Amino acid sequence: DAGITQSPRHKVTETGTPVTLRCHQTENHRYMYWYRQDPGHGLRLIHYSYGVKDTDKGEVSDGYSVSRSKTEDFLLTLESATSSQTSVYFCAIREANYGYTFGSGTRLTVV
Amino acid sequence: SQQGEEDPQALSIQEGENATMNCSYKTSINNLQWYRQNSGRGLVHLILIRSNEREKHSGRLRVTLDTSKKSSSLLITASRAADTASYFCATGASDLPGANSKLTFGKGITLSVRP
Repeated sequence: DAGITQSPRHKVTETGTPVTLRCHQTENHRYMYWYRQDPGHGLRLIHYSYGVKDTDKGEVSDGYSVSRSKTEDFLLTLESATSSQTSVYFCAIREANYGYTFGSGTRLTVV
Repeated sequence: SQQGEEDPQALSIQEGENATMNCSYKTSINNLQWYRQNSGRGLVHLILIRSNEREKHSGRLRVTLDTSKKSSSLLITASRAADTASYFCATGASDLPGANSKLTFGKGITLSVRP
């Protein structure tokens, strides 16, 4: 499995502030994804990337942006955090067998 | 919108019994996958079945896929307390490179296995 690390693991931030979450992988996987997980909604795709500088929106992309300037890092930015963005955020990479490997998650609280 | 919907939402069984979980989806798929999530952790990939396959096994797991009914089932045989977790099905529309290479997840099933 790919080494995949999310940082930070926990964060509390104030409404209106920008927040950046980082996903780092060590095995040069091309495809990377950001999901959020909320009770009653399961996992919903925010943004994904299919190569350096190649990104696309998922189903809940409003209020989020991403960047992928190198293969190993995929950054998720909340441009101006809102309470509705309180959630657990998961990064994932796609393995050669098409299964996903997930990071341990970032628990974000917006107060 | 969610593609896969799992059924039941929650399942409680005794250790040693079999657990059957179902997933239905709406549009055509390339593959369907099942994941497990232990409390407070990330999801772990269990098994993938392609649209041209009907059944697949991995250890105590058996997955079936019926594309005519747009449904899949995950069977865990001889369950253990350690199988207690949430289980998610996820559908992939394509495994071609590019924009369609993403999975859509259901809301999950909570499985409790009583010792």
